[in-house]
Parts: sequence; structure tokens; C-alpha cells
Amino acid sequence: DSGVTQTPKHLITATGQRVTLRCSPRSGDLSVYWYQQSLDQGLQFLIQYYNGEERAKGNILERFSAQQFPDLHSELNLSSLELGDSALYFCASSVEAGGPGDTQYFGPGTRLTVL
Amino acid sequence: QQPVQSPQAVILREGEDAVINCSSSKALYSVHWYRQKHGEAPVFLMILLKGGEQKGHEKISASFNEKKQQSSLYLTASQLSYSGTYFCGTEMNPGSARQLTFGSGTQLTVLP
Repeated sequence: DSGVTQTPKHLITATGQRVTLRCSPRSGDLSVYWYQQSLDQGLQFLIQYYNGEERAKGNILERFSAQQFPDLHSELNLSSLELGDSALYFCASSVEAGGPGDTQYFGPGTRLTVL
Repeated sequence: QQPVQSPQAVILREGEDAVINCSSSKALYSVHWYRQKHGEAPVFLMILLKGGEQKGHEKISASFNEKKQQSSLYLTASQLSYSGTYFCGTEMNPGSARQLTFGSGTQLTVLP
């Protein structure tokens, strides 16, 4: 158990819908990262927040957005869902925004199925 | 730029050794190794910073060759629990953003 929690564990929805995935980082961690893992794309970095502010953006679609709240939990919003958005979505957290030895610890993931 | 991992898959008997490589065409600042079991979260194994540092974790160790921009993960005397997919995540710039780019993974199967 990494200490990172994600809800829900599974989500089944229809195309065109909107969903929100939630992540709580480990106690004391200020950075939250979101990743998408699908069979054909591997583990893809989406976005990073540090202490409430966006720090880095990866391959995140415009239909997706995220935010980190004052209590440091984060939400990933996925809208206008398409079949290809079906994937495992992981959240990871780390203590800092950078620096040597800063390790990312992954949560258990949310499995999203779009029908 | 996604790092290249090799081999894509390897099957071992318990007690055998394995090496997994992770190569980049760009200069790397650090390499992070993770192991993921099917349907579970990636679990952190170790970080290597540029400078050729070698690290160990139980019977798993790794090295970072700065000249070749390559990291190798060494699994010694494999145990059944070592089965899973191993990912390397590479970081090119130190400092403010810890953006990791992951390789496509190496699937390791350890048989009794």
C-alpha cells in the first residue's frame, strides 16, 4: 500500500458522458501526477500539480482537465468520453516538485470503461 | 521521447538471472524503475541519477551509464514474486517538473 488513494476503483459509463476521478496523495506529499495506461499506449503522463498549481503538462487531451485543491487532493475530469478513453488512470504523488531522490508513488488506479 | 526497453519479454526459471535495459536517445538526468503486476499499481523499485550510480534493492540492482544514456536492471536469483512488467521512467531535466516518460515495459515471468 503506497498511501495514495483513488476513487472509484471501477467506472463504467457511456460515450459522450463526463466523469470525475479522485486522488488523495500520501500524507506530506505536495505533488500529484496523473497517468493514463492503455494496452496500446503504455503509461502516459497527463499532468502534474504541485501545491495547488499546475506544474507540467503531458499528453492530456483538451476534453480532460484536472485540479488540485487546498487540502491537496486532486480530481481528473474527463468529458465527452470516447471508446478510446477506456483505460486505467493512475494518480501518483511525491514530496516535492523536483530535485534528486524525489520518488513518485502510485495509487491503485481507476479502471474506466466507456461503452 | 519514449525510452526503449529490451527485451520486450523474458521467461526465467526460479533462481536464474535477468537483465533489462532502458535506452534513451536524449541526455538523461535520472532513471526510475518500477514493477507492475497485472491490474495493480506500479511499485517503485529505485532511482538512478546521472553519474553512473549503482543502486540495489534486495537482489535487484541497477546501473546508469551516462555515456550510453542507458540504464540496466539486474535481477539476481529470481524469485516467483519477481514476475511482472518492469518499466523504466526517464527524466531529462532536473528541477521544477518531474515529468517521467515511461518505456513500453518488459514482461518478466518466473517459473517454478
